[in-house]
Amino acid sequence: NAGVTQTPKFQVLKTGQSMTLQCAQDMNHEYMSWYRQDPGMGLRLIHYSVGAGITDQGEVPNGYNVSRSTTEDFPLRLLSAAPSQTSVYFCASSVLGGNGYTFGSGTRLTVV
Amino acid sequence: GESVGLHLPTLSVQEGDNSIINCAYSNSASDYFIWYKQESGKGPQFIIDIRSNMDKRQGQRVTVLLNKTVKHLSLQIAATQPGDSAVYFCAEKLNRDDKIIFGKGTRLHILP
Repeated sequence: NAGVTQTPKFQVLKTGQSMTLQCAQDMNHEYMSWYRQDPGMGLRLIHYSVGAGITDQGEVPNGYNVSRSTTEDFPLRLLSAAPSQTSVYFCASSVLGGNGYTFGSGTRLTVV
Repeated sequence: GESVGLHLPTLSVQEGDNSIINCAYSNSASDYFIWYKQESGKGPQFIIDIRSNMDKRQGQRVTVLLNKTVKHLSLQIAATQPGDSAVYFCAEKLNRDDKIIFGKGTRLHILP
């Protein structure tokens, strides 16, 4: 039981490049979400999903796309990276209605 | 709008003493208030939650107090240990949309 797995752990992108941050969980959790963490800003919700085929926007969705084709996977796509997207990204999952999210170990993204 | 904030960004406590981490919230409609702990280089970990119709909840060495009159939440850690050194986040959740909104965090330093 691996929990929540995020890849890659580190990534450097040039402005305008695109990439996908991967997130997978093996706990059969319906709920999955993406947060970004910046110094002094805490964790801010980007997108979330309550089940396969269902996604919704969080606090800071602009510049990011998500899809949820399976229960296990919830990738986050940056279509055209900007320096403002430099951050640490966390994926989390839980059962529906649960408060105890399981977080991945994060992806540190730098956009130059 | 929804917001969760903290009174102090850094708290230093002597090992063995009790720690009290405070949090102010603004959304009276939140159904749950939650505390997470984040150690350096890791994702946040669930500590304890409290339903909005409760005043107090105890866990192992931790107690959460909720004062709805002044919209204040606190986390008390008994007999603080070196392993308690981390950033602590308060968060709030509305049941209707299943998403958790985090505050900015308080760093807890343990003095030897």
